[in-house]
Amino acid sequence: DAKTTQPPSMDCAEGRAANLPCNHSTISGNEYVYWYRQIHSQGPQYIIHGLKNNETNEMASLIITEDRKSSTLILPHATLRDTAVYYCIVRSGRRGAAGNKLTFGGGTRVLVKP
Amino acid sequence: DGGITQSPKYLFRKEGQNVTLSCEQNLNHDAMYWYRQDPGQGLRLIYYSQIVNDFQKGDIAEGYSVSREKKESFPLTVTSAQKNPTAFYLCASSPIADGALNTEAFFGQGTRLTVV
Repeated sequence: DAKTTQPPSMDCAEGRAANLPCNHSTISGNEYVYWYRQIHSQGPQYIIHGLKNNETNEMASLIITEDRKSSTLILPHATLRDTAVYYCIVRSGRRGAAGNKLTFGGGTRVLVKP
Repeated sequence: DGGITQSPKYLFRKEGQNVTLSCEQNLNHDAMYWYRQDPGQGLRLIYYSQIVNDFQKGDIAEGYSVSREKKESFPLTVTSAQKNPTAFYLCASSPIADGALNTEAFFGQGTRLTVV
């Protein structure tokens, strides 16, 4: 499985955009980038995923570099409720044991300040 | 409502006892997962299963056992061989990885196990 590297923590001002980086330099061609977040003592929540094109949904935008070795999750207008741990993971799109293994790293602890 | 349910939310056991954590899903997902989370740490994969009667070890399987007799259920047993069982345990389920289809994982609310 490709590994991901994220900064352990970052602060963000309420109302401003939060840009969360993730490095996945060993990602392979069939692996997708997924982002989840975990609010204290709850189960992680899916945010967004992508393969190589930029993606946007109601929660966030995902920017993936052309070489796919890194990505950035953008929370366009951070609120206090966005304070959470954000996990970037890569997951194979192929069937089989490797495709269904879902491994999390340490994540980035984001604190949104008033 | 469709979802994934873990029970109980809090569990206390004496040292040396085996304990089984329940995880049930009605999302018709093929894949199910168990994670352990320690304070201030990320999620570590214990076991996962992609089909009934089959499962694979994750990164920290020692001291744990699972079964997958039904698609909907994936119970985790924390055995007495697990040296530091006190932790927050999360169960998840997802569709099988299949190319461009979103294989979003859904998580339960967790079971906080305390062994005294």
